[in-house]
Amino acid sequence: DAKTTQPNSMESNEEEPVHLPCNHSTISGTDYIHWYRQLPSQGPEYVIHGLTSNVNNRMASLAIAEDRKSSTLILHRATLRDAAVYYCILRVQGAQKLVFGQGTRLTINP
Amino acid sequence: GAVVSQHPSRVICKSGTSVKIECRSLDFQATTMFWYRQFPKKSLMLMATSNEGSKATYEQGVEKDKFLINHASLTLSTLTVTSAHPEDSSFYICSAIPIAGGSYNEQFFGPGTRLTVL
Repeated sequence: DAKTTQPNSMESNEEEPVHLPCNHSTISGTDYIHWYRQLPSQGPEYVIHGLTSNVNNRMASLAIAEDRKSSTLILHRATLRDAAVYYCILRVQGAQKLVFGQGTRLTINP
Repeated sequence: GAVVSQHPSRVICKSGTSVKIECRSLDFQATTMFWYRQFPKKSLMLMATSNEGSKATYEQGVEKDKFLINHASLTLSTLTVTSAHPEDSSFYICSAIPIAGGSYNEQFFGPGTRLTVL
């Protein structure tokens, strides 16, 4: 499984944008980039995914580098409820399983 | 939205006993479910892929005789931790992929089951 590298932790302030980076230099052409987050004592929840183009949904935006070796999850206006561990995961096209890395623990300050 | 439940949410048992954890997809059907375990402050580790009507596929290093998985219907998978020991204490999480839509793009996770073995 292709590996992702994320900072262990990040901190931001409420109502400010947050940019969570992810490096995946060994990504293959058919790997999808997925982001999930896990709130304390809960199961993970889907945030967003993409292949090559930038993606937007109601939760976040995903910016994918042109060479696809890195991506950035953008929370446009963080709230206290966004405090969680964010996981960047590469999923092989056609495969179903997800292999979680260590993720980034995001702290939001009021 | 798609909801996955787990039962029980917490369980405490004595060493040597077996514990069964249920994972249900409440409003969708899933031919494939996954089981993960998570130790405190650590990431999720995929244990096995549960396939309805067939044997589960275990990840390397996971003992299939220790962690019995049964996926008897399109909405239910069970994980039985046999002869549990304190080192099996962990947070067990399941996930499921809906059949409808045929997309692999989103897994829905259960809330997790915290197992404590005394």
